[in-house]
Amino acid sequence: QSALTQPASVSGSPGQSITISCTGTSSDVGGYKYVSWYQQHPGKAPKLIIYEVNNRPSGVSNRFSGSKSGNTASLTISGLQAEDEADYYCSSCTSSTTLVFGGGTKLTVL
Amino acid sequence: QVQLVESGGGVVQPGGSLRVSCAASGFTFSNFGMHWVRQAPGKGPEWVAVIWHDGSNKYYADSVKGRFTISRDNSKNTLYLQMNGLRGEDTAVYYCTRDIVNIWNVGAYWGQGTLVTVSS
Repeated sequence: QSALTQPASVSGSPGQSITISCTGTSSDVGGYKYVSWYQQHPGKAPKLIIYEVNNRPSGVSNRFSGSKSGNTASLTISGLQAEDEADYYCSSCTSSTTLVFGGGTKLTVL
Repeated sequence: QVQLVESGGGVVQPGGSLRVSCAASGFTFSNFGMHWVRQAPGKGPEWVAVIWHDGSNKYYADSVKGRFTISRDNSKNTLYLQMNGLRGEDTAVYYCTRDIVNIWNVGAYWGQGTLVTVSS
């Protein structure tokens, strides 16, 4: 159950778009539609922002979008805002009937 | 509204045992699979275990298999995690979470977490 691979950090200016990648294998990301993304602010529980690759839970801004190609999933945040500064994690179910998270990406809004 | 409230955390010696609980409300508990996810200080989330809505299936992360047991009491709307043989690396905030649409869309709802510290 190796963690999914995410870049340690990304940054962008307000109004810009950024993309965070999440790379796994055919036994997790590449094999299933159950890829999710979470936003976590310091001291808070993670918040689900994308599920099943590209679906947003009710109440999540449409500035957040997800996609997948092969073994790599991506989260795009458009119209970057100061409050988007947070840690972002991906997850995927696996062929072993488990769940694996990514190592996390720290987003800095410049 | 959906509410998940964890309890039972604390300080325990290496090799010891602890049971944490999660009281659920605001939804029909018996209709949903439930997960435990933990987060060590300064680290990312780590999935721990899942239990089907009726308790018929349970799956565990390799790091806890054979030591932790997930269970539920649908009559009490409560989820449990029995932790035995605790190690220092089990120190973390333990969250219970509920899915959305499918059991593998983990983390639509989270509790506030309960801190488990394994230390002598």
